[in-house]
Order: sequence, then structure tokens, then C-alpha cells
Amino acid sequence: GIQVEQSPPDLILQEGANSTLRCNFSDSVNNLQWFHQNPWGQLINLFYIPSGTKQNGRLSATTVATERYSLLYISSSQTTDSGVYFCAVDYKLSFGAGTTVTVRA
Amino acid sequence: DARVTQTPRHKVTEMGQEVTMRCQPILGHNTVFWYRQTMMQGLELLAYFRNRAPLDDSGMPKDRFSAEMPDATLATLKIQPSEPRDSAVYFCASGFRSSQYFGPGTRLTVL
Repeated sequence: GIQVEQSPPDLILQEGANSTLRCNFSDSVNNLQWFHQNPWGQLINLFYIPSGTKQNGRLSATTVATERYSLLYISSSQTTDSGVYFCAVDYKLSFGAGTTVTVRA
Repeated sequence: DARVTQTPRHKVTEMGQEVTMRCQPILGHNTVFWYRQTMMQGLELLAYFRNRAPLDDSGMPKDRFSAEMPDATLATLKIQPSEPRDSAVYFCASGFRSSQYFGPGTRLTVL
């Protein structure tokens, strides 16, 4: 199956800081999604982005399919951004191990 | 606001008992997924349905797990008999085209 690697595994931010999360995948994909799992365990769909760039408020994502990576940008981070960010690929949604983000006030 | 619903939200049972988890996908979605999340293994796909037909259940222990969609509004995941190693959070997700939306999960504890 497709291997998905996310980096960094952990990220601690001061409120207001910007950050970039990375997702590398081992084969070409026609489906890539970013999810946020909040501290209560709910998984929230952030982006469906097999290629190109999308923005939603303070979050944006870019996928370079030819180079097999995707980036998630968090700008002006807030404490509510804390949680685990997952990248998932392929029609079966193979998940990476996630990046745990902690935003401190 | 359409959501995926799962019942029960929490389940504590004893080893050997049967456990049934239910999921109501979002109306109009044609794909349903079952995932299991543990600290050690992360999020693992157990089963995948499209238009109610099972397309992939390779991640599921066949001897004790079964997944079905008796109709478009209900997906079930059954464990019989349950074992302590089945303790995890079980998520259902539904989707249309390529975006999937997750339910709140069922936290299962097998003693």
C-alpha cells in the first residue's frame, strides 16, 4: 500500500505564530485529504486537495502531486488549532501518523 | 447541518461478548468507511463500502469481525467474540465523490 509520512511529529507554537506541516507519500494518488482531530477526538475534514492550492480562512494547503508531497499552512495560530493533523491518501484513505500541534496562549 | 451519527458512543463489555456498533451515514453519501484508532497503530481501515457493496475489508480480522450495510441509512460493525485487544475507538465515515466526513466514534473497552 501507499506509505504516508508526516512531519514534524510534534509542534509547539505560541499563539499568533505561523507553521507548516508536511505530508510525503510514496506513490501517485488521486485523493488526498487533510483532517484535524480535536482534543475531544472528533475528526474534521479540512481539505480535499489531490493537487493545487486551497485556502480556508487561516488554513491553506498545497499539494505537488508530481513530487508526492502536500503542505498544510496554519497562519496566526490560535489555541483552538491544537490537536492532531492527519494527511490521508488514496480512495481507501491511508492515514499518516499525524502531527500533534499544541498552541500556547 | 448533516452529520454522521454513531451509536453507542461508549461501550464497556467483557471478553467473549458480542459487540455491535451502528453508523448512520449522511443522506446521499455513497461511500462508508469503518476505521479503528489506537495509540499504537493509529487509524486503520477496517472496511469500505460503495453503494452498499463491500469493496474492501482486508483490514478486518475475518474470524471475529463483520461489517454490513443492510440499507443506505445504516452500517453495522460487529465483533463476536470480543477480545481485550479490540479496545479502541471505532470511527465510521461517509463520503460523496472524494471528501469523507467522520462520525464521533464509538469508544470500546473490552475487559
